[in-house]
Amino acid sequence: QKEVEQNSGPLSVPEGAIASLNCTYSDRVSQSFFWYRQYSGKSPELIMSIYSNGDKEDGRFTAQLNKASQYVSLLIRDSQPSDSATYLCAVSVRSARQLTFGSGTQLTVLP
Amino acid sequence: NAGVTQTPKFQVLKTGQSMTLQCAQDMNHNSMYWYRQDPGMGLRLIYYSASEGTTDKGEVPNGYNVSRLNKREFSLRLESAAPSQTSVYFCASSELKWTGELFFGEGSRLTVL
Repeated sequence: QKEVEQNSGPLSVPEGAIASLNCTYSDRVSQSFFWYRQYSGKSPELIMSIYSNGDKEDGRFTAQLNKASQYVSLLIRDSQPSDSATYLCAVSVRSARQLTFGSGTQLTVLP
Repeated sequence: NAGVTQTPKFQVLKTGQSMTLQCAQDMNHNSMYWYRQDPGMGLRLIYYSASEGTTDKGEVPNGYNVSRLNKREFSLRLESAAPSQTSVYFCASSELKWTGELFFGEGSRLTVL
């Protein structure tokens, strides 16, 4: 079992809809959770971090963390074509001193 | 503000050749990292340097060496390139140790024939 799993997609949503991206992780002691956005041919860019259970909102983005169920999700409201990218989930365990990435979900927002 | 700068952007090598990927950051960050990204595999950590003067192996260190030259610079060396090392390499930096808040360079696309 991979440590961090994401549905590779592609996920397509119409412009203006809510895009929901999900990530599950296997290590129960995981402490910090991150979402990176990566446009095709570009480098990853951090868009959200979440450290405690519940929701964290930043503009059109909401990260949701449920440690008991070992999943973290990213909601993108009012999706725009410019949101079309691959979204990488990353999980860190402090004692492991490493950040583990999922393989990413490719999102396409259709005009 | 350049952030994290990697050179070269593209490189083609023959099996057995050696090369060094250079990385420099101007954000005064303490920690630096080298990742590789392969289709369907996500980002995998090769080596990292938590602070100047220290380096540690990541998930996939075999076939690579690193040097933390100073606080700004962290280089990755392939001593004898193999086709399995064909990948996109990303350098990243962070202000704090063991954080997931990384700043990435633009990447270096390496092809080994």
